[in-house]
Amino acid sequence: DTAVSQTPKYLVTQMGNDKSIKCEQNLGHDTMYWYKQDSKKFLKIMFSYNNKELIINETVPNRFSPKSPDKAHLNLHINSLELGDSAVYFCASQRGALENEQFFGPGTRLTVL
Amino acid sequence: GNSVTQMEGPVTLSEEAFLTINCTYTATGYPSLFWYVQYPGEGLQLLLKATKADDKGSNKGFEATYRKETTSFHLEKGSVQVSDSAVYFCALSAYGNKLVFGAGTILRVKS
Repeated sequence: DTAVSQTPKYLVTQMGNDKSIKCEQNLGHDTMYWYKQDSKKFLKIMFSYNNKELIINETVPNRFSPKSPDKAHLNLHINSLELGDSAVYFCASQRGALENEQFFGPGTRLTVL
Repeated sequence: GNSVTQMEGPVTLSEEAFLTINCTYTATGYPSLFWYVQYPGEGLQLLLKATKADDKGSNKGFEATYRKETTSFHLEKGSVQVSDSAVYFCALSAYGNKLVFGAGTILRVKS
C-alpha cells in the first residue's frame, strides 16, 4: 500500500491557468507538508498542517493556497500559474508536529509553458 | 537560525569506491540529524538518523556519526554500488520543529 500518494504525477499547463495537486496519506499521521524542489534539487518548505490547522506558512505567493479537508488529505491549489512555478512538488507526512521523521510522496512534476 | 551545509556535487565515483559526503550544521540546542536519499524519479526517504551526540546512525551500509564538537554529521559508505546513485540530503530538526534541509548532493556511481 502506498503510504503517501500524490496526483497527478505530471502536470503540464499554460501560464495563467489554475491547477490543483492532491495528496493523501494512509499512515494515520497528524501533520502534512508541501515542499517545492527546483531544478537544482533544492528543497523549500511551503506549508504545514497539523490536524487540519495551518502551522507553517513560509514566504509563498498567495497564488498558492493549501486546503486540508481532513487530516489524511492536503491539497495544493495554484492560481494564475507562472513560468517560475515549474518544479517538482512533494507532499510529506509526519506522525505529529513534534516528531522528526517525514514520509514523502513520489512528487508531482509541474511544467508551466 | 538553524541551517545545514553539505558538500556540493555532483560526486562521481567508481563502483566499490569509498564515499564521504560532508555535512555540517548550525543550530541552537541539541537537534536531531538525518540523512535522506532521493532516488531518480522518486520522493525522499529516510536513510538514517541520530538523535544525540555520539550516536551513530546506520542503514544499507551507510553510516553517519553525530559529532557535537565539530557540528558535523558526515555520511560514509565503504563500497558504493551503481544502485546508490541518488541525491543525498542532510537535515536537522530541533525541538520538533520543521526539518531544515541542506542543498542536496548528487552522487553518481559508474560501473
